[in-house]
Amino acid sequence: AQSVTQLDSHVSVSEGTPVLLRCNYSSSYSPSLFWYVQHPNKGLQLLLKYTSAATLVKGINGFEAEFKKSETSFHLTKPSAHMSDAAEYFCVVSVRGSYIPTFGRGTSLIVHP
Amino acid sequence: DADVTQTPRNRITKTGKRIMLECSQTKGHDRMYWYRQDPGLGLRLIYYSFDVKDINKGEISDGYSVSRQAQAKFSLSLESAIPNQTALYFCATSELLAGDGTDTQYFGPGTRLTVL
Repeated sequence: AQSVTQLDSHVSVSEGTPVLLRCNYSSSYSPSLFWYVQHPNKGLQLLLKYTSAATLVKGINGFEAEFKKSETSFHLTKPSAHMSDAAEYFCVVSVRGSYIPTFGRGTSLIVHP
Repeated sequence: DADVTQTPRNRITKTGKRIMLECSQTKGHDRMYWYRQDPGLGLRLIYYSFDVKDINKGEISDGYSVSRQAQAKFSLSLESAIPNQTALYFCATSELLAGDGTDTQYFGPGTRLTVL
């Protein structure tokens, strides 16, 4: 069984300040973990993914995430928010051999000028 | 041109009507998925198909059916639409990467369906 919890439904930051979107997962086996972004009126796009290589994963647009097995977490960070980062972000877990992903409920990132 | 396309992009229909949402892809992927998105609930899997002869139910398949007409085409039908099927529907594709063991999914732009 697998599940994912996004700890915040909304996160509000000012432009230029750091971003932290939190994700905890539960998985019976070694997980693959993903972050997707959905801009308004658009489909989802992959930001980054963890596949058991390096625990610190770098993605597009300056985002990165760190896999912490002891904390069962995969939090998404960015040093400095930009207005264009305003979007919905989804954390996703997939178990190897199954490949049916489970989506979190999403976190809406709001960026203030 | 987009790799994953969905038609229509918007649809308003009435309770009891049968409707079909279509998805086409040019990525050459074997795996295709249908999801629905509701505010605050994330994406929930309706059906998925790992090849043309393989169709599987997801977590919320009741009231829906699918057809995989070809590798590139995967259609979702609502046999008798009801208001609580009002949602944003996404089609996605993926390809199993040898040696990687994970799928990246590629999403279409979505179909906004309203059932009155």
